[in-house]
Amino acid sequence: QKEVEQNSGPLSVPEGAIASLNCTYSDRGSQSFFWYRQYSGKSPELIMSIYSNGDKEDGRFTAQLNKASQYVSLLIRDSQPSDSATYLCAERGNNRLAFGKGNQVVVIP
Amino acid sequence: DAGITQSPRYKITETGRQVTLMCHQTWSHSYMFWYRQDLGHGLRLIYYSAAADITDKGEVPDGYVVSRSKTENFPLTLESATRSQTSVYFCASSESSGQGQDGYTFGSGTRLTVV
Repeated sequence: QKEVEQNSGPLSVPEGAIASLNCTYSDRGSQSFFWYRQYSGKSPELIMSIYSNGDKEDGRFTAQLNKASQYVSLLIRDSQPSDSATYLCAERGNNRLAFGKGNQVVVIP
Repeated sequence: DAGITQSPRYKITETGRQVTLMCHQTWSHSYMFWYRQDLGHGLRLIYYSAAADITDKGEVPDGYVVSRSKTENFPLTLESATRSQTSVYFCASSESSGQGQDGYTFGSGTRLTVV
């Protein structure tokens, strides 16, 4: 069974700092990876997708994929209080997404 | 309105009752999914559908039934609700299959409480 692991506990970062989130996956054949943001009481919303090894930047967000080591990371630069949320890592295989349990980020003003 | 909508937003039901959660999308996406989200477990796939009249089990299908007679609708039925099915249920849809970079778009969720 595919597994996506997000093992870090809640992450507190000062406003303006970089938040770094990591995710590992078990299926070496997985090709597509996603980061979702979920505010408390709301549904997940897609913020980044990555398919190729290396970095992908979108505004203040950078996703990094390392297929050899089977990990995906998300960097949030210049963190803002509005970034306080739970971030879900997901991999896509067999026409469905498998999600990690998420990491809570708290940005402290 | 365009998008994906779930109803009801909140539901309280009694153990043993049948409950149906509705999901409707206006994009004509082929793929639709039902997830449940629980503390400590994250999002777990219940059922998914690749097209009308094509459904398949996910990770936690027991106690649930789905149907998809029309592309835009994907209802989820709890045949005989149990307290362990108390959860937040999310419906999602996706345009494409395979290994593409299309993520899912989620509905607003249904918070179900079984008493």
